[in-house]
Amino acid sequence: DTGVSQNPRHKITKRGQNVTFRCDPISEHNRLYWYRQTLGQGPEFLTYFQNEAQLEKSRLLSDRFSAERPKGSFSTLEIQRTEQGDSAMYLCASSSGLFYEQYFGPGTRLTVT
Amino acid sequence: AQKVTQAQTEISVVEKEDVTLDCVYETRDTTYYLFWYKQPPSGELVFLIRRNSFDEQNEISGRYSWNFQKSTSSFNFTITASQVVDSAVYFCALSNGSGNTGKLIFGQGTTLQVKP
Repeated sequence: DTGVSQNPRHKITKRGQNVTFRCDPISEHNRLYWYRQTLGQGPEFLTYFQNEAQLEKSRLLSDRFSAERPKGSFSTLEIQRTEQGDSAMYLCASSSGLFYEQYFGPGTRLTVT
Repeated sequence: AQKVTQAQTEISVVEKEDVTLDCVYETRDTTYYLFWYKQPPSGELVFLIRRNSFDEQNEISGRYSWNFQKSTSSFNFTITASQVVDSAVYFCALSNGSGNTGKLIFGQGTTLQVKP
């Protein structure tokens, strides 16, 4: 059973550029979460998918952020017009049921210069 | 409001010492779920335990044990006979039963350093 995978692992971009991250959840998991973690802090919830439906978005998710999960499989998180404040680790997690444990991927570390 | 507080920012112990990591949570829900995760230097969050609000039994798994006390809204984690490999950041997290997403609310984490 392979775990959650995320690509790329690292991304360096210039301010104003768009970036897209991909998450492949554990294959039988229908629930997928995105979190953001900054240095010295715990992860903060960004958004949640049940199958292909995006059911909740945090207020942290500004209009520059968009997430999709076509066909309820992998998910993408896009950030448009990146800002230095977007620099963080973006974590993806999946679970097999509501309130079940979430399994996390290795994260994508974004650095905006 | 829902909140998780891990008051200990950093703890340093010598190998074989016992160490307890504190977690205090706030929620108005009567049904909720508590979790502990470990984040080693490699960075990937590793699930350790899940507890629901109706089960106050303490749990032991090898050198790890958890003490859940609803009266004090605490869910503390003890490592017995610590080892260098236990060095990591440990996060306590809460998920409210009234929500329909299961999203996790994390504390700020406790960095544990175990010295040989």
